[in-house]
Amino acid sequence: GENVEQHPSTLSVQEGDSAVIKCTYSDSASNYFPWYKQELGKRPQLIIDIRSNVGEKKDQRIAVTLNKTAKHFSLHITETQPEDSAVYFCAASPYGRGKLTFGQGTILTVHP
Amino acid sequence: ETGVTQSPTHLIKTRGQQVTLRCSSQSGHNTVSWYQQALGQGPQFIFQYYREEENGRGNFPPRFSGLQFPNYSSELNVNALELDDSALYLCASSWTGDEQYFGPGTRLTVT
Repeated sequence: GENVEQHPSTLSVQEGDSAVIKCTYSDSASNYFPWYKQELGKRPQLIIDIRSNVGEKKDQRIAVTLNKTAKHFSLHITETQPEDSAVYFCAASPYGRGKLTFGQGTILTVHP
Repeated sequence: ETGVTQSPTHLIKTRGQQVTLRCSSQSGHNTVSWYQQALGQGPQFIFQYYREEENGRGNFPPRFSGLQFPNYSSELNVNALELDDSALYLCASSWTGDEQYFGPGTRLTVT
């Protein structure tokens, strides 16, 4: 089955800096890669996703890049703000089947 | 458009008991997936229901079972509860299977 590794497990940045979280996956059949943000005691929130026919996708301060050959994908957050502090999870699944395999999570702390 | 809802919010059960958790999918969504999230971990896929049929299962024993109803709401049933079943149980609904939107979860504590 699919295995998703996520790094780093914790990330501390100053407000305004950029943050990068990286994930690798094992199953070459995976072609849908979402990122979720989970604040303490709240539900995971879908913040951005990418499909394998695309190499990069941006949404305001958030971007995701995908390298299918190397089987890794990354989340980039620019101009970080204290409200970006949360746990971020990457995930992978075969397209249209929705059986997400999640990474272990990254605790992002943005210091004012 | 209403979001994904789950009930109950919290539940305390004793080892060996049975529990039923409920999920109402987002309006227009026909697929519900269930996940178990242990403290400090990422969610783990339990199973998925599509149009009332189980459509894939993760590495969970048969005492984890489910149902989906004609209105696409769903139930997760766990029999013979074990201490390790203590976790946050999340359901997520979607239209295509991808772009899953999560409910707030049910926190289950087994004592």
